[in-house]
Amino acid sequence: DAGVIQSPRHEVTEMGQEVTLRCKPISGHDYLFWYRQTMMRGLELLIYFNNNVPIDDSGMPEDRFSAKMPNASFSTLKIQPSEPRDSAVYFCASSTDSVYGYTFGSGTRLTVV
Amino acid sequence: DQQVKQNSPSLSVQEGRISILNCDYTNSMFDYFLWYKKYPAEGPTFLISISSIKDKNEDGRFTVFLNKSAKHLSLHIVPSQPGDSAVYFCAASALDFGNEKLTFGTGTRLTIIP
Repeated sequence: DAGVIQSPRHEVTEMGQEVTLRCKPISGHDYLFWYRQTMMRGLELLIYFNNNVPIDDSGMPEDRFSAKMPNASFSTLKIQPSEPRDSAVYFCASSTDSVYGYTFGSGTRLTVV
Repeated sequence: DQQVKQNSPSLSVQEGRISILNCDYTNSMFDYFLWYKKYPAEGPTFLISISSIKDKNEDGRFTVFLNKSAKHLSLHIVPSQPGDSAVYFCAASALDFGNEKLTFGTGTRLTIIP
């Protein structure tokens, strides 16, 4: 089991550019969560899916952020246009049964300059 | 508003002594609590959990205590070991209210001094 796979590990981009973060959840996991880690707010939930359907996107900060899950094995988080305040580590997590047994990926460190 | 608070950003403890990490919450609907541990350049990993029907849960060197009236939980690590140096996140959920997501705190960086 390869775990939750996120790509890229690091992303440096210029302000105004589009950024796409990718996540492959563990096979068989019905839930997928996108979190953002910052010093000030810790780990904050952006959006989560159940069986590929977005359930709660109330944590998505602005319309510049969007997330999709076209199938059970792939999800993307897109920021367009990116801004320096979006710089953070973005984590994807998956689980078989909501809050039980979250498995996190290694994260994508995003730097917007 | 931060519903789960970890007021100590960092903590240093001598190896072999007890480490106590604290967490406060404001949402009275929270009924399930977890602690996650995070090493640099890795994702958080599950450590221990407790349901609101209990006030203590123990797993080896790790014990979580829950005080519902004070809306406070703590993680005790004894004895502390160098490998325990990491960032610890407290998390909560309101499962009985259909809340399937975890709300995390800001984390406490624990450093074990050899």
